Amino acid sequence: EAQVTQNPRYLITVTGKKLTVTCSQNMNHEYMSWYRQDPGLGLRQIYYSMNVEVTDKGDVPEGYKVSRKEKRNFPLILESPSPNQTSLYFCASSLSQGGYEQYFGPGTRLTVT
Amino acid sequence: LAKTTQPISMDSYEGQEVNITCSHNNIATNDYITWYQQFPSQGPRFIIQGYKTKVTNEVASLFIPADRKSSTLSLPRVSLSDTAVYYCLVGDLTGSQGNLIFGKGTKLSVKP
Repeated sequence: EAQVTQNPRYLITVTGKKLTVTCSQNMNHEYMSWYRQDPGLGLRQIYYSMNVEVTDKGDVPEGYKVSRKEKRNFPLILESPSPNQTSLYFCASSLSQGGYEQYFGPGTRLTVT
Repeated sequence: LAKTTQPISMDSYEGQEVNITCSHNNIATNDYITWYQQFPSQGPRFIIQGYKTKVTNEVASLFIPADRKSSTLSLPRVSLSDTAVYYCLVGDLTGSQGNLIFGKGTKLSVKP
């Protein structure tokens, strides 16, 4: 089954404790992206990757890092999480650049206390 | 990047046709228009995509006028399960555009 998976689905952590949210797709897609969703603000893009070893900032990259060492994986790293990063995070992938149909993962709900 | 503008919310009743309009005045020549649907706590799901005139699939229709500065998503005979947030995006399929702006979307509430 074609899908995008994220782990963990739920995470409660404390300020400053480094964490990684994994994202994996099995569709051989070139493009992958991370979004955060907050009440009243809609979906905002954090980082995206056009292909392996190619990443770029979205609209809200501060406080996040990403890497794309393999085509299927695109982890999101929070080196020193803060409470304002409490949010619902979605990973997505598409065949090529962002204009193509994007497939979204189930989401990761992160709480930073 | 072409910015899009949509109504914040809309109300409808079951069985009615719903039309959601999106404004994208600065759309570029290579941009396509894509609509997504999102239910609470789920990732958005692709509904329909088009470049010009009219596109129809089993779920919706997309109307795009000749100047392409706006588009209208049409949902025929909505049901309670169509209650969701609908996002309009413009994006390039031929270049190297990776930055996407989803915006706040339109929250559609369908009542019995």
